[in-house]
Amino acid sequence: KAGVTQTPRYLIKTRGQQVTLSCSPISGHRSVSWYQQTPGQGLQFLFEYFSETQRNKGNFPGRFSGRQFSNSRSEMNVSTLELGDSALYLCASSLSGQHTEAFFGQGTRLTVV
Amino acid sequence: GENVEQHPSTLSVQEGDSAVIKCTYSDSASNYFPWYKQELGKRPQLIIDIRSNVGEKKDQRIAVTLNKTAKHFSLHITETQPEDSAVYFCAAPRRDSNYQLIWGAGTKLIIKP
Repeated sequence: KAGVTQTPRYLIKTRGQQVTLSCSPISGHRSVSWYQQTPGQGLQFLFEYFSETQRNKGNFPGRFSGRQFSNSRSEMNVSTLELGDSALYLCASSLSGQHTEAFFGQGTRLTVV
Repeated sequence: GENVEQHPSTLSVQEGDSAVIKCTYSDSASNYFPWYKQELGKRPQLIIDIRSNVGEKKDQRIAVTLNKTAKHFSLHITETQPEDSAVYFCAAPRRDSNYQLIWGAGTKLIIKP
């Protein structure tokens, strides 16, 4: 079966712009989590969605938001981009999100200039 | 606050030797501890996990041990091979939510030929 798909793979944006990233989970998976990964910072949790509801949110500013659709696909949006938002954004899907394996997408590499 | 401390940040071992990575968690109620491997340029993938009702779990050359009293768990890789070179992440559930994992900062494992 198809894995987790993230689009686009690469993005270059200018400070002040906004961006929307997309994540298509594995079929049947209802939980989608988003992470920001920067060199030396590991995986920083952004938020988690299950059945179109945000269940958890990390410590990121309100410029970072997300949503999940009825087909479990998820999007995250970053408004008013800053240079420090440059990172690899990973999404992960799992059946329920609780004590189950998380399958990661290949990520979207965002560069803010 | 809650956190997962992971050590060492970098580990260099000779091919064929063993490698041990240790993580310490803060919440005694945590009951699920996964380990993910991220090869250079690739997505993180689950390699092994352990639940709090067991003290050790093995899968070929990989094993994880859990010490609930000391609140730490360790990844053991025996007979290391070049393909073991990667960044390894440990994680534990957040105190008030089993749906969110708190991640360690990662360990870069280098296998020297």
